[in-house]
Amino acid sequence: EVQLLESGADLVHPGGSLRLSCAASGFTFSTYAMTWVRQAPGQGLEWVSLIGSGGDNTYYADSVKGRFTISRDNSKNTLYLQMNSLRVEDTAVYYCAKERYGSGQIDSWGQGTLVTVSS
Amino acid sequence: AIQMTQSPSSLSASVGDRVTISCRASQGIRNDLGWYQQKPGKAPKLLIYAASSLQSGVPSRFSGSGSGTDFTLTISSLQPEDFATYYCLQDYKYPWTFGQGTKVEIK
Repeated sequence: EVQLLESGADLVHPGGSLRLSCAASGFTFSTYAMTWVRQAPGQGLEWVSLIGSGGDNTYYADSVKGRFTISRDNSKNTLYLQMNSLRVEDTAVYYCAKERYGSGQIDSWGQGTLVTVSS
Repeated sequence: AIQMTQSPSSLSASVGDRVTISCRASQGIRNDLGWYQQKPGKAPKLLIYAASSLQSGVPSRFSGSGSGTDFTLTISSLQPEDFATYYCLQDYKYPWTFGQGTKVEIK
């Protein structure tokens, strides 16, 4: 069974930094692209970032480009999201998610973790 | 970025009704589209990928159609557990983009 467990969420001030982690199990982590999706309170889903299976290819939403960095450690089956220069509008539940092999889309999700940016 | 526009934003329906939700892309995306269901406080669930392929374990009352710019999610006979918010997601081009969501409520 695929399991994705996010950690690292906290209350942070505007301009601050935070690193989220996602521990993966139940599948061969190194063969799947992984992604982060977020959802602001009461709002819709927003795709944030994706990293290829080997870690060489990364992609970002325009809203986070230059501030967030996605990375992975395949030896530890762990996905990361380094978030810098945080803004109030980055407040959201952040989901770690696994790409459906070979066809894009997302077939497995973590439970989500709430990041709050507030002064 | 490709804009995904869903309609309607919300709808009210009864158990047993046929429900259709539309998603329009701002440019052609072939069939690189998926549909998700999300219930309050829960992570989304993949229903349809590649516009019309049913994800494993998803009931056959869910179906998807379309290609290019216009897509449809159909629920053939709405069940009580289907009341939720539905989103489309294009994976044709980075950045991937979601539609704004369609909330399906009980009539």
